[in-house]
Amino acid sequence: QVQLQESGPGLVKPSQTLSLTCTVSGGSINSSGYYWSWIRQHPGKGLEWIGYIYYSGSSYSSPSLRSRVSITLDTSKNQFSLNLSFVTAADTAVYYCARRAVVGGKGPFDYWGQGTLVTVSS
Amino acid sequence: DIVMTQTPLSLSVTPGQPASISCKSSQSLLQTDGKTYLYWYLQKPGQSPHLLMYEVSSRFSGVPDRFSGSGSGTDFTLKISRVEAEDVGIYYCMQGIHPRLTFGGGTKVEIK
Repeated sequence: QVQLQESGPGLVKPSQTLSLTCTVSGGSINSSGYYWSWIRQHPGKGLEWIGYIYYSGSSYSSPSLRSRVSITLDTSKNQFSLNLSFVTAADTAVYYCARRAVVGGKGPFDYWGQGTLVTVSS
Repeated sequence: DIVMTQTPLSLSVTPGQPASISCKSSQSLLQTDGKTYLYWYLQKPGQSPHLLMYEVSSRFSGVPDRFSGSGSGTDFTLKISRVEAEDVGIYYCMQGIHPRLTFGGGTKVEIK
């Protein structure tokens, strides 16, 4: 059974960089067929896709966040990470990591982490 | 971006009764490979979302058969044949045909 677990600071100051890590267990991130993804949910709101990274290191992110988003892999630790720079209060949200099982570049998020709340405040 | 519109916003259902949620996309989700990339998720209170249905009508592993999905092109429906207490939460549809993934706004299902 694949499990994902987010970790990182729960409080980030405005204009700083939000950094989260997702640790994957029960499966290797260094394998084809999966996009390792980040999704967020503003308090009381719906879901917003942030971006993903493939085992090859190629990544793709939402155009609305692209200038501030960096997603990286650490295959030695079976982890992937999200950096979101120049954060504002609008980036306060629960951040989820998830595995997207893909064939031909398409597929569902089949496993999710439990989510971690990040608050942006001075 | 493809806009996903769900109705109703909320639903209050008597246990044992059916429930139906609609999801409409601003563009067709039918790909040239013949597959339709529409997914349904349920977020139970205090939990992360989990996958219910993929490619419109295929149930994910462990999903009870009281859940069914239907539709084509731009109009889709999730049905629960007999709602149980454990089905409460917010249901989201999501399109997977376009690289910029988008979700519906959610439908909250409560028990009367």
